[in-house]
Amino acid sequence: GNSVTQMEGPVTLSEEAFLTINCTYTATGYPSLFWYVQYPGEGLQLLLKATKADDKGSNKGFEATYRKETTSFHLEKGSVQVSDSAVYFCGIIIQGAQKLVFGQGTRLTINP
Amino acid sequence: EADIYQTPRYLVIGTGKKITLECSQTMGHDKMYWYQQDPGMELHLIHYSYGVNSTEKGDLSSESTVSRIRTEHFPLTLESARPSHTSQYLCASSDRVHEAFFGQGTRLTVV
Repeated sequence: GNSVTQMEGPVTLSEEAFLTINCTYTATGYPSLFWYVQYPGEGLQLLLKATKADDKGSNKGFEATYRKETTSFHLEKGSVQVSDSAVYFCGIIIQGAQKLVFGQGTRLTINP
Repeated sequence: EADIYQTPRYLVIGTGKKITLECSQTMGHDKMYWYQQDPGMELHLIHYSYGVNSTEKGDLSSESTVSRIRTEHFPLTLESARPSHTSQYLCASSDRVHEAFFGQGTRLTVV
């Protein structure tokens, strides 16, 4: 079946630290990969995406590269800010499938 | 900007009441989803639809029901609310392999 595994949280960092949140997937087809962010009291917002191998998605200083050989899509940011505190979800959509699949979410807290 | 809307944003209701959570999208997406999000953050798919008059149960068993009479509308109904239904409910839509768009969610409290 299709599944997504994210790095366990919570993750707490100081401002300007380097961030990595790991995400790996298993898929029966060729997925598109996503990172979503959820701020307190809100729904999920798309942060970035990649639709084919070696694509790099980027937005707001965050980056993730579609690694087909390792079935991974790790989220990185070089210098985090307090405003990046949120819950981050890795997700996949399989072409032709009916469902999108998410990881369990990683809560990130950035301290000043 | 996402064109998917959920109402109400917050709802406090007594045990035994019937409730309907509304979800509407204006993007013409065929696929729509309902997720239940527990306090530990994890998203549990409870219902999905890939078009008008088609609905399927998701990965998490739920006492709620859904309908899809129009492409843009995907309401979720609880016939008799219980405290165990207290949660955040998120609606989403997507078009094939494109990104999913989420509503802001409905936070339901059953007292």
